[in-house]
Amino acid sequence: NAGVTQTPKFRILKIGQSMTLQCAQDMNHNYMYWYRQDPGMGLKLIYYSVGAGITDKGEVPNGYNVSRSTTEDFPLRLELAAPSQTSVYFCASSRAPLGSLREHKNIQYFGAGTRLSVL
Amino acid sequence: KNEVEQSPQNLTAQEGEFITINCSYSVGISALHWLQQHPGGGIVSLFMLSSGKKKHGRLIATINIQEKHSSLHITASHPRDSAVYICAVLYFGNEKLTFGTGTRLTIIP
Repeated sequence: NAGVTQTPKFRILKIGQSMTLQCAQDMNHNYMYWYRQDPGMGLKLIYYSVGAGITDKGEVPNGYNVSRSTTEDFPLRLELAAPSQTSVYFCASSRAPLGSLREHKNIQYFGAGTRLSVL
Repeated sequence: KNEVEQSPQNLTAQEGEFITINCSYSVGISALHWLQQHPGGGIVSLFMLSSGKKKHGRLIATINIQEKHSSLHITASHPRDSAVYICAVLYFGNEKLTFGTGTRLTIIP
């Protein structure tokens, strides 16, 4: 049971390049999330998904796209990388919505993060 | 604007000390999460609270709904507790967490 796996761990991009950050979970969780973490700031939600085929924007979606063709995978795409997208990206998953009163179901499991620099 | 404030931003303590980290929020919430971010960057969920108090080992989390405030306590602190502790809340009517900026805890042997 690997949990949430993110690849790559590190990446340097040039302005205008594109890339896909991969995220996979093997816990059969319906809910998946992409966050970015900037220095001195709280985690910000980029996109989330409540199940295969369903995605929705978070707080900071501009410049990103996602897809959810399977329960396991939730890739995040950067089409035209910009310096403002330099950040650490975390993927997370949970079994239930985050407000569910059954704590063991709404615990979020995080990937190890992807450190991205756009130069 | 719904915000989450944590205090202190940084905390350094001696091994064995009792640690308290605070989290305040602005309006009604349906749930509050405490997370731990290790020095290597990995994030682990510690607790989800909607009322009262929860305890896991040396960690205790409390929430006061009326005062819009939560605390995370660590008893008999140990250097391995050194990490960033993050508070996040789920505001009513919102499916997304709002995160605090974290409290960086350093425990000195």
